[in-house]
Amino acid sequence: GAVVSQHPSWVICKSGTSVKIECRSLDFQATTMFWYRQFPKQSLMLMATSNEGSKATYEQGVEKDKFLINHASLTLSTLTVTSAHPEDSSFYICSARMGSSYNEQFFGPGTRLTVL
Amino acid sequence: EDQVTQSPEALRLQEGESSSLNCSYTVSGLRGLFWYRQDPGKGPEFLFTLYSAGEEKEKERLKATLTKKESFLHITAPKPEDSATYLCAVQAGGDMRFGAGTRLTVKP
Repeated sequence: GAVVSQHPSWVICKSGTSVKIECRSLDFQATTMFWYRQFPKQSLMLMATSNEGSKATYEQGVEKDKFLINHASLTLSTLTVTSAHPEDSSFYICSARMGSSYNEQFFGPGTRLTVL
Repeated sequence: EDQVTQSPEALRLQEGESSSLNCSYTVSGLRGLFWYRQDPGKGPEFLFTLYSAGEEKEKERLKATLTKKESFLHITAPKPEDSATYLCAVQAGGDMRFGAGTRLTVKP
């Protein structure tokens, strides 16, 4: 199956710093990439959708100036959490999809962010 | 509004005890229904896509079925390694909407 990687797998940072998370599709070209957030024992919450070369579309309630998304190529998307605060601590998961919205998304392994 | 509801929230089975997980949905213009498995601290792993009512797909001990209102994930003779959270998601329009998941525990 299609493989999606994320880096780093976990990160601990101080409050006020920025953290960048990378998401790569390793063996396919991802037309669309998605960023999700997941709290313990809860389901995935979509944060934003990005298409290569276009601005990301953010879900209601997600601050686009705080969660910067760049989808520079068909295999790479980055999420930067700017001026992170403890409430931003969460499990961030990206996914990638090739082609149309009839196709499945393939998920990365997730990044555990802890903000002290 | 599109909704996806999974039941039960949690399910405990003995090894070998077959059962089914349910995913009911109300969406307009279903493009696909997806089942994923998620282990703790990991991203979801793709299992199946179903596109139309009556469709069935199988993989090892898992079988997914789809009707116009719901999908079932049947687990036959489960093993402890089948323990995980199973997520159902529906694609309608541009968004994939996830259910809350069913936490499956299979005891040896």
